[in-house]
Amino acid sequence: DTEVTQTPKHLVMGMTNKKSLKCEQHMGHRAMYWYKQKAKKPPELMFVYSYEKLSINESVPSRFSPECPNSSLLNLHLHALQPEDSALYLCASSLGQGLQSQYFGPGTRLLVL
Amino acid sequence: SQQGEEDPQALSIQEGENATMNCSYKTSINNLQWYRQNSGRGLVHLILIRSNEREKHSGRLRVTLDTSKKSSSLLITASRAADTASYFCAHLNNAGNMLTFGGGTRLMVKP
Repeated sequence: DTEVTQTPKHLVMGMTNKKSLKCEQHMGHRAMYWYKQKAKKPPELMFVYSYEKLSINESVPSRFSPECPNSSLLNLHLHALQPEDSALYLCASSLGQGLQSQYFGPGTRLLVL
Repeated sequence: SQQGEEDPQALSIQEGENATMNCSYKTSINNLQWYRQNSGRGLVHLILIRSNEREKHSGRLRVTLDTSKKSSSLLITASRAADTASYFCAHLNNAGNMLTFGGGTRLMVKP
């Protein structure tokens, strides 16, 4: 299995809602990442987990809360988002943090109303 | 910002022609990678070139790296309509803990 899966594919939420994005990989990768991508822009790193521990938080607002329950799963909990948070959220994984290439999931397209 | 620059931002060519995309970056790097993204989808890793390498080939792809100029290029030969996508370079910093993407080149290959 050389795939990173993400659910849901699309999500519409209001500014008062709480929702979660999920990411899963079964390649034995020990580093997992969340990126945010706006239209016609490159992905921007949000969080990095290495061996299930948060190793990088790129000054992301607290309304985004990552969680890594085990080595195969990565969640992104969303609460009280703003319309400007609407974007494509991409999950990626790599064998370890750094050096190797990253495998990306198809993304969750999020719309905040 | 440590984000790299890519040029051109958009490129339109006919099927069969070659496409060249350039990438520049600002910091010291461990390696440089190229990714492809179809519209609104996830990124697919194409090729990785290490800082001590100058050129690398993979099928119809040829990547060069000039660390003295902090620049890289991606050449796609004999392009096909299916090559239509956005192409991003990404560099890993020397600490090995961050991958930073360039602005991307949107390539359109007309049949």
